[in-house]
Amino acid sequence: GENVEQHPSTLSVQEGDSAVIKCTYSDSASNYFPWYKQELGKRPQLIIDIRSNVGEKKDQRIAVTLNKTAKHFSLHITETQPEDSAVYFCAASTGNTPLVFGKGTRLSVIA
Amino acid sequence: NAGVTQTPKFQVLKTGQSMTLQCAQDMNHEYMSWYRQDPGMGLRLIHYSVGAGITDQGEVPNGYNVSRSTTEDFPLRLLSAAPSQTSVYFCASSYGFGTGGSYEQYFGPGTRLTVT
Repeated sequence: GENVEQHPSTLSVQEGDSAVIKCTYSDSASNYFPWYKQELGKRPQLIIDIRSNVGEKKDQRIAVTLNKTAKHFSLHITETQPEDSAVYFCAASTGNTPLVFGKGTRLSVIA
Repeated sequence: NAGVTQTPKFQVLKTGQSMTLQCAQDMNHEYMSWYRQDPGMGLRLIHYSVGAGITDQGEVPNGYNVSRSTTEDFPLRLLSAAPSQTSVYFCASSYGFGTGGSYEQYFGPGTRLTVT
């Protein structure tokens, strides 16, 4: 089955700097790659997603890139703000099976 | 819409007790899943369903049962609670797992379970 690896497990950045979180997946049939943000004590919420027929997608300060050949995808957050502090999860799906999640990255934005 | 709801929010069980975690959604989603979240382990899939009457096992199904008699409800049963089942449990629903329609998976607020 699918296996998703996520790095780093923790990340600290200064406010205004960029943050990058990387994930690799094992199943070449995976075609849907969402990113979820989970604030302390809250439920995970979708922040951006990408399908395998697209190489990059942007939404204001966040972007996701996908390299199908290398089977990895990344989340980029620019101009980080304290409210970006949270745990971020990547996930992958073939479309016919449930999402498989990475273990998460705890992002701390230091003011 | 209430979205995905879960009850209870908190529960303490003794080893060997059984209980049912409730999950309901009012978005007419066919796909529903149960995850457990442990520190440093991410979200691990317990069981999932692609429609009423259809369920399947995920990565960590042992010790849990599910059934899906209606589109709206997807309860998770702990048969004989063990301390290893201490975790936060999330129910989620979506129109699909990635093909067709809206892909977003909506999570419930979670149930924090402690087994002593």
